[in-house]
Amino acid sequence: SYVLTQPPSVSVAPGKTARITCGGDNIGSKSVHWYQQKPGQAPVLLISYDSDRPSGIPERFSGSNSGNTATLTISRVEAGDEADFYCQVWDGYSDHVVFGGGTKLTVL
Amino acid sequence: QVQLVQSGAEVKKPGASVKVSCKASGYIFNGHYMHWVRQAPGQGLEWMGWMNPNGGVTKYAQRFQGRVTMTRDTSISTAYMELSRLRSDDTAVYYCARDLSLRDFDYWGQGTLVTVSS
Repeated sequence: SYVLTQPPSVSVAPGKTARITCGGDNIGSKSVHWYQQKPGQAPVLLISYDSDRPSGIPERFSGSNSGNTATLTISRVEAGDEADFYCQVWDGYSDHVVFGGGTKLTVL
Repeated sequence: QVQLVQSGAEVKKPGASVKVSCKASGYIFNGHYMHWVRQAPGQGLEWMGWMNPNGGVTKYAQRFQGRVTMTRDTSISTAYMELSRLRSDDTAVYYCARDLSLRDFDYWGQGTLVTVSS
């Protein structure tokens, strides 16, 4: 089955840029979605189809996907961005959904 | 506005079954697949499967095959997820999530905590 690999944690100072990676075999050929989950809350769709921002998501959040790595970039990080972030793809062959293991973003 | 409202927390004994409901409103229920995702305490998200409300076709993750059943009642725009032969490691928050277009989840329920304990 398809596997997505994320770093368990990323730390960044306020105002700086955070990059969270999601690795997978030829992931660039798939559409990657990103979710943000704050403690005690349901996940929120942050980025869909590699780089599309749903309505209401700040422009500070962006995504890219190429080769074996997809990346979520958070510019001008704020304290309120602290959360767990998950990448997700659809394996069209099996029609199964796969989540990455999640990355905890800490704002220093 | 789109809302997914799930049933309340459950406590079950090992070997029992649990059925969680997810009532949808604010959109055409039959127009979007419904997925179920669970999250064990302190762990990541785990996809369980999807159901097409238009006809009731389902697809389950391999590890839940034979234990999970996803159904719906279109007359009340409600999806259900039933998990049988519960074990302690099934303790988790269970979410329903609407499929926006092709396996991207734009709306989530508030989550239902299922605790399995003897």
